[in-house]
Amino acid sequence: DTGVSQDPRHKITKRGQNVTFRCDPISEHNRLYWYRQTLGQGPEFLTYFQNEAQLEKSRLLSDRFSAERPKGSFSTLEIQRTEQGDSAMYLCASSLTGLAGEKETQYFGPGTRLLVL
Amino acid sequence: AQSVTQLDSQVPVFEEAPVELRCNYSSSVSVYLFWYVQYPNQGLQLLLKYLSGSTLVKGINGFEAEFNKSQTSFHLRKPSVHISDTAEYFCAVVGTGGFKTIFGAGTRLFVKA
Repeated sequence: DTGVSQDPRHKITKRGQNVTFRCDPISEHNRLYWYRQTLGQGPEFLTYFQNEAQLEKSRLLSDRFSAERPKGSFSTLEIQRTEQGDSAMYLCASSLTGLAGEKETQYFGPGTRLLVL
Repeated sequence: AQSVTQLDSQVPVFEEAPVELRCNYSSSVSVYLFWYVQYPNQGLQLLLKYLSGSTLVKGINGFEAEFNKSQTSFHLRKPSVHISDTAEYFCAVVGTGGFKTIFGAGTRLFVKA
């Protein structure tokens, strides 16, 4: 178990550019979550996958945001036409369905910090 | 829907003193409760969780929390803190039938020598 990994750890981009982040969950975990965290706040839910199916998408996720998990393993989060307000830490987490409560126990990656200039 | 309130945004404390970080939640359904710790520029690490059973839950690094259903609270405690405990602490809740975890705004614990 190597934990949840995210790549890149840091990204600086200019307004209007597209960016893509990758998340590799813990290998046997079938649920994957994306969160956004701004300074001084707790993580805010963005979207959630069970295997390859995207089952929920927050209203925070505008049309410029898209997430995929094509083979039920790694996931990507793309932001098109970035805006300065997109600057935040993007966190990925994974969990495993099974015993009640365990599926809600999420294990987090280190995050990708995005700065839009 | 659920909500979480962390009553203190910052808690300064001297090394080896006890500490309590307060968390209250609101929910119309039964919940699971979590505490996570976040060190600078890192992701969140699970400290402890309450799923069912004993209301006193012990976690890593000497932390414990007590679930109080009548007061809808889940306060985090440690009898003696270390400098290395300086970090941001997040309380979180999820409905037992749901999947969306709701986080509080966090409490910054600052341990002074």
